[in-house]
Amino acid sequence: SQQGEEDPQALSIQEGENATMNCSYKTSINNLQWYRQNSGRGLVHLILIRSNEREKHSGRLRVTLDTSKKSSSLLITASRAADTASYFCATVESPGGGNKLTFGTGTQLKVEL
Amino acid sequence: GAVVSQHPSWVICKSGTSVKIECRSLDFQATTMFWYRQFPKQSLMLMATSNEGSKATYEQGVEKDKFLINHASLTLSTLTVTSAHPEDSSFYICSARDLSSTGETQYFGPGTRLLVL
Repeated sequence: SQQGEEDPQALSIQEGENATMNCSYKTSINNLQWYRQNSGRGLVHLILIRSNEREKHSGRLRVTLDTSKKSSSLLITASRAADTASYFCATVESPGGGNKLTFGTGTQLKVEL
Repeated sequence: GAVVSQHPSWVICKSGTSVKIECRSLDFQATTMFWYRQFPKQSLMLMATSNEGSKATYEQGVEKDKFLINHASLTLSTLTVTSAHPEDSSFYICSARDLSSTGETQYFGPGTRLLVL
């Protein structure tokens, strides 16, 4: 499968700052999703943005999607120590992607007090 | 939200033995479940799609005879790692899609850490 790239691979910020993570992918998509994974745990779904949407908000999260550049960004505002985790983007291809998710390489976020 | 459980959460086994991992959707039915493998500090790689009542669909490069998948009911899928070797040591995660939901969200289990000695 064609895995997406995320950057940065690792990000360390102070509590209260904003964190921005970027994701690039290679195919046409139906939707793009962002997930969070705490160390050694399962994934938690954060937000889904469809291919015909450009921006979406959920609480302190803001996601943008640029299908012409095949890229997405996740912004976490006013970060907290509890936001420390790995963040992955995942895409569903179109057409023919079904429900299969193709994950990006992930960004490890560390929020320090 | 929907809950997916996995059992066991971790397992240590000797090389050559087989290990079964269960994935259950606790409060919803799932005709389709997915099995992923994740190596340390890496992303999730889809291994196979598990379909209730039919054969699983394996991704390229995944040996179906080594990773046996059974999806016997709408709430249970099992992954059996047969004749496990140290290189099979990994974090195995399942996910499920709610049959009654029109959304695209998949719900993930907490993962099973396998260590083969």
